Amino acid sequence: NAGVTQTPKFQVLKTGQSMTLQCAQDMNHNSMYWYRQDPGMGLRLIYYSASEGTTDKGEVPNGYNVSRLNKREFSLRLESAAPSQTSVYFCASKRGGLDEQFFGPGTRLTVL
Amino acid sequence: GNSVTQMEGPVTLSEEAFLTINCTYTATGYPSLFWYVQYPGEGLQLLLKATKADDKGSNKGFEATYRKETTSFHLEKGSVQVSDSAVYFCALNSGGSNYKLTFGKGTLLTVNP
Repeated sequence: NAGVTQTPKFQVLKTGQSMTLQCAQDMNHNSMYWYRQDPGMGLRLIYYSASEGTTDKGEVPNGYNVSRLNKREFSLRLESAAPSQTSVYFCASKRGGLDEQFFGPGTRLTVL
Repeated sequence: GNSVTQMEGPVTLSEEAFLTINCTYTATGYPSLFWYVQYPGEGLQLLLKATKADDKGSNKGFEATYRKETTSFHLEKGSVQVSDSAVYFCALNSGGSNYKLTFGKGTLLTVNP
C-alpha cells in the first residue's frame, strides 16, 4: 500500500515551458487535492476534485489546470511556467466528508 | 469563512522541555480538528485528530483537546526530543465548500540536545 505517490520529485523548468505533475493514490479515496507550499504562506489549495469526474478551483488556480483521469489519478498541469510558480507542490487525498487528508511526498519545482 | 490561527514560530526548546503550540479557530458548524507534522524534506503526516467537542487526540506523546467554548485545539507534549523538530500545522474541516481543509500557517519547532 503505497499511499499517495507523486512524480517527479524534483523539476527545473525555464520560463514558458510546460509540464504535468502526476499524483496517484491506492487507498480508493474519493477526493483529491493539489496544494502549493511557499515559505511563510503555509499551504494554499490550487485545485481539488471532490469525486471522480469533478474538479473545482481552490484559492490560487491561476496558471494551472487539472485532470482527474480516474479515481486513482489527479494531475496538475502548468501550461506556461513562470518564476512565481517556483514552489513545493503536494497532492493529497481523502476518503470523504470530515476524514483526514493523506499527503504525498511533494514535488520541488524551480522555474528559472 | 473558516480560519485557523496558530502561534508564530520559530519555537526553540531544549530536549525534555514541555511544548505547547497554540491553535484557535473560527468555523461554522461542528468542525473536525487536526494536527499535521512535516519533517524536513517530507510531506505532511497526520499527527492526531479530534472530531467533537471535549475529544482528546493523542499520538507519539502529543495531545490536543477540542475545546468548543474557547474554539481552541492546542498541541502539547510533556517532554520533547530532538526527533520532534519539524513544522506543525493545525487544520480544520467544517464540512462547507466540499469539505476542504483550512490550515494554519505552521509553526517551526527546533529541539536542541
